[in-house]
Amino acid sequence: GENVEQHPSTLSVQEGDSAVIKCTYSDSASNYFPWYKQELGKRPQLIIDIRSNVGEKKDQRIAVTLNKTAKHFSLHITETQPEDSAVYFCANEKLTFGTGTRLTIIP
Amino acid sequence: NAGVMQNPRHLVRRRGQEARLRCSPMKGHSHVYWYRQLPEEGLKFMVYLQKENIIDESGMPKERFSAEFPKEGPSILRIQQVVRGDSAAYFCASSPLAGGEKDIQYFGAGTRLSVL
Repeated sequence: GENVEQHPSTLSVQEGDSAVIKCTYSDSASNYFPWYKQELGKRPQLIIDIRSNVGEKKDQRIAVTLNKTAKHFSLHITETQPEDSAVYFCANEKLTFGTGTRLTIIP
Repeated sequence: NAGVMQNPRHLVRRRGQEARLRCSPMKGHSHVYWYRQLPEEGLKFMVYLQKENIIDESGMPKERFSAEFPKEGPSILRIQQVVRGDSAAYFCASSPLAGGEKDIQYFGAGTRLSVL
């Protein structure tokens, strides 16, 4: 079946530094990769997504890169702020989610 | 445009009772997805429905769980004879696109089911 692996499971970053979360997938036919942010006790919210026709997409401090050959994609958050603390999930178009990364920003 | 509406937000049931979770998709969306999230775990896909049709139920437990999305009214996730292991947050999401590609999904606030 479909498999999306996400690493690391927890990540602590000093405020202002960058955070990188990586996901790998098994289905080479996948073309759409969203990232969701879930704050404690709240709903997952789409923060950025990428389609297979591009290798990188950026939205202010958030960027996603995609390597179709290696079948992995990454979330990059620069200049991290306390409000970035949350659990981040990657997913593919088959509705398979990664196991999540708990990101903690240390003031 | 109201977002995806789920109710109730919290539901408490005793073992053996039935739980009914409701989800109204965003206006204009005709595709609904249900997910289960156990405490401290990720989202697990359960079922994908369009109006009056179940498209993909590969994530649904074989027994006690059912889902529907009638022509009129919200989508319903029904859990019969609940057990403690059913305690979780159940999220509904909706999307506007048809076809094989399940695209951008908008999540509801979830229903937190507690089974005593």
